[in-house]
Amino acid sequence: DAGVTQSPTHLIKTRGQQVTLRCSPKSGHDTVSWYQQALGQGPQFIFQYYEEEERQRGNFPDRFSGHQFPNYSSELNVNALLLGDSALYLCASSELGRRFYGYTFGSGTRLTVV
Amino acid sequence: ELKVEQNPLFLSMQEGKNYTIYCNYSTTSDRLYWYRQDPGKSLESLFVLLSNGAVKQEGRLMASLDTKARLSTLHITAAVHDLSATYFCAVDLEIGTASKLTFGTGTRLQVTL
Repeated sequence: DAGVTQSPTHLIKTRGQQVTLRCSPKSGHDTVSWYQQALGQGPQFIFQYYEEEERQRGNFPDRFSGHQFPNYSSELNVNALLLGDSALYLCASSELGRRFYGYTFGSGTRLTVV
Repeated sequence: ELKVEQNPLFLSMQEGKNYTIYCNYSTTSDRLYWYRQDPGKSLESLFVLLSNGAVKQEGRLMASLDTKARLSTLHITAAVHDLSATYFCAVDLEIGTASKLTFGTGTRLQVTL
């Protein structure tokens, strides 16, 4: 049973560029959340998707946007990249109504903005 | 706004010793998680605590939750080097049909020989 799959694992972008990160949730999970983890800090909530809609959003600017597809997979898009966007981006999947089972995290995408 | 505080931020301990990591949070919640993170890696789920008084143990780690005190603890018994990692607590809040985790600052544990 595959867990959460994220791609790519690493990438390097230039300031001002745009990036798309991808996440496939664990089988049976219908909810996807995205987190940003800067070096030496705890993960920060970006947003959560369920039924192809953004259900909750953290304190991130509109440059951060997302999408969820009918197969529950999700994308995180960041426009006009800043140096401060360099971080590990984590995707977590869960099953609505069964969160007592917790969240499963992917291995992350490490984004470096130069 | 929910705040989650962990202490200590850094813990250096000898093998064989016992210690406790504390996680305090500011808003009522009955769902708290503990995660382990190795350098450059993702988060590994350790414990899911779902109610007041919940206690769970796995190997040398034991976690507990006191929702009235808004406090969770992660107790390490007879530490071994393999436990060296960063440990995060995270509080789960429901907002309508959505939810989100708010993480603590993390505790970097270093177990020395």
